[in-house]
Amino acid sequence: DAGVIQSPRHEVTEMGQEVTLRCKPISGHDYLFWYRQTMMRGLELLIYFNNNVPIDDSGMPEDRFSAKMPNASFSTLKIQPSEPRDSAVYFCASMPTGTGGSSIYFGEGSWLTVV
Amino acid sequence: QQQVKQSPQSLIVQKGGISIINCAYENTAFDYFPWYQQFPGKGPALLIAIRPDVSEKKEGRFTISFNKSAKQFSLHIMDSQPGDSATYFCAARRGSTLGRLYFGRGTQLTVWP
Repeated sequence: DAGVIQSPRHEVTEMGQEVTLRCKPISGHDYLFWYRQTMMRGLELLIYFNNNVPIDDSGMPEDRFSAKMPNASFSTLKIQPSEPRDSAVYFCASMPTGTGGSSIYFGEGSWLTVV
Repeated sequence: QQQVKQSPQSLIVQKGGISIINCAYENTAFDYFPWYQQFPGKGPALLIAIRPDVSEKKEGRFTISFNKSAKQFSLHIMDSQPGDSATYFCAARRGSTLGRLYFGRGTQLTVWP
């Protein structure tokens, strides 16, 4: 299996620009997660989906952030407008149903720098 | 509010030594406690996990010790190797929120040859 695939791997953008991060989960996985990692706050769960439906978006920092999962094989995390404090590594992860969190597989992350 | 507290923040160990990382939690509803290993430029990967019905789980050189009454659990790496140098995260989950993991802040382990 190819694992969780994220794109872009690295992005540098100017403040105010729209940023779209993409994720392809592992085939057959029913759960999809978006995490953000920073030195200050560690790993934070932003939002997660089950069967393409958002279950918990309480971690989404503000209205500038939005996430969608139009089908089982694709999800996006969008930041509009971006700000320097959004600079972080954004991880997508997926998990099959029934494992209770025991098999969350992370992608290699999208490194975002907002200048 | 940090649901899982992890220490130390960084750890330096000689090759062949024992690395010990500790975590504590407050929510007694947590029922699953995994450890993740992260190498630079990579995503976290599941290393080993334990459920509260056992006090210890061992996989190779990695052991989780779990103390339910103290609400603490720890990762022990025996015979630490330079290849173990990575960031380690403990995490916890409660069954009612399937899939949601609460992570500790991480421990950066360096094993000197």
